[in-house]
Amino acid sequence: EPEVTQTPSHQVTQMGQEVILRCVPISNHLYFYWYRQILGQKVEFLVSFYNNEISEKSEIFDDQFSVERPDGSNFTLKIRSTKLEDSAMYFCASRRSTEAYEQYFGPGTRLTVT
Amino acid sequence: AQTVTQSQPEMSVQEAETVTLSCTYDTSENNYYLFWYKQPPSRQMILVIRQEAYKQQNATENRFSVNFQKAAKSFSLKISDSQLGDTAMYFCALANAGGTSYGKLTFGQGTILTVHP
Repeated sequence: EPEVTQTPSHQVTQMGQEVILRCVPISNHLYFYWYRQILGQKVEFLVSFYNNEISEKSEIFDDQFSVERPDGSNFTLKIRSTKLEDSAMYFCASRRSTEAYEQYFGPGTRLTVT
Repeated sequence: AQTVTQSQPEMSVQEAETVTLSCTYDTSENNYYLFWYKQPPSRQMILVIRQEAYKQQNATENRFSVNFQKAAKSFSLKISDSQLGDTAMYFCALANAGGTSYGKLTFGQGTILTVHP
């Protein structure tokens, strides 16, 4: 069964450094999402991506964040200058079509900013 | 704005028993979808069940079923014949559909379910 994959599983970085989190969504899916979950808290929406552009973003998704789908398979989240409060689990999700609203999640990347 | 509330931070149940997890939500949209996701200790988010708001019939998926009360904006999850592998955090989530919505999920705070042998 196709699944969403994410790399790396764990990323440790120093404050102020740039990080890129990578995701490979399910191949025939059209909508892509990033969410984050700070330890012990609920899952929060960051951004949605459709038709090669951002379709919606949350207040969390400020100028330090960007997303790309560089080659038709990968979907990346970049944080330009990480802060301590960016430490969280980051989940990528994909959705098949306009009519199907269920999202399938990757295993997550645990980002630790020191 | 849409909100999802899970008022039970933790629940426990004996193996083979039945447990119900509660969820209430609010949205101004008439067309939306509701979901339950399971997050085991591995932290992978696994889709358990979905419900379309326009359907009156409650969704079922093997041992999992929902009680969808649209007027009350309530969406509870019933797990029958609980198994040790059901131990996880359970999240209720809502996605508005249609119009300019791109289907982002709004999650509740989660309920930690522990199944005891």
